[in-house]
Amino acid sequence: DTEVTQTPKHLVMGMTNKKSLKCEQHMGHRAMYWYKQKAKKPPELMFVYSYEKLSINESVPSRFSPECPNSSLLNLHLHALQPEDSALYLCASSRQGGAGEKLFFGSGTQLSVL
Amino acid sequence: GQQVMQIPQYQHVQEGEDFTTYCNSSTTLSNIQWYKQRPGGHPVFLIQLVKSGEVKKQKRLTFQFGEAKKNSSLHITATQTTDVGTYFCASRFGNEKLTFGTGTRLTIIP
Repeated sequence: DTEVTQTPKHLVMGMTNKKSLKCEQHMGHRAMYWYKQKAKKPPELMFVYSYEKLSINESVPSRFSPECPNSSLLNLHLHALQPEDSALYLCASSRQGGAGEKLFFGSGTQLSVL
Repeated sequence: GQQVMQIPQYQHVQEGEDFTTYCNSSTTLSNIQWYKQRPGGHPVFLIQLVKSGEVKKQKRLTFQFGEAKKNSSLHITATQTTDVGTYFCASRFGNEKLTFGTGTRLTIIP
């Protein structure tokens, strides 16, 4: 069971589509993360929000646009993606984003770009 | 960039055998975390080690942090089919960025 909820679980989109991935947590965590995971690879950090402010952007292409409307919600807006962007997108949260905190992951959105 | 290497990449064991995965860094780590990801699942936090030479146990799982804080290991005694999955170590390099190791995929032969 996970206390981080991601929707949708699966998404198929064309290269000209615009879609959004959503993530929600109600644990009172103030740090939220987007990770990208290709098959048989470790999760790779994309973005970190700390207290609703973007604190880390790992040089992610602009076709990925994160948004943190409030402390419980995290979105990832997708536009003009490429087939190589197909992957599992994982949202995670932690208490405040400090060095010793564990991450709670959602179940992920499996994205296929055609 | 900073990397944490894990060996082996894959491990197939007979049910009941032991399993160990090793995590190595070229730089000193402030702490190290271990996560398990079941097939088709998401990473789940197992444990965090902070002190040099620290050893922690969770039932059949034993976690160690090296004296120099540059390596760590996870040992599973008498594996069961429920242990199947990929085990990742992870560490933060000076900021909020949690970097995952390359992972060890464990499969169990019943």
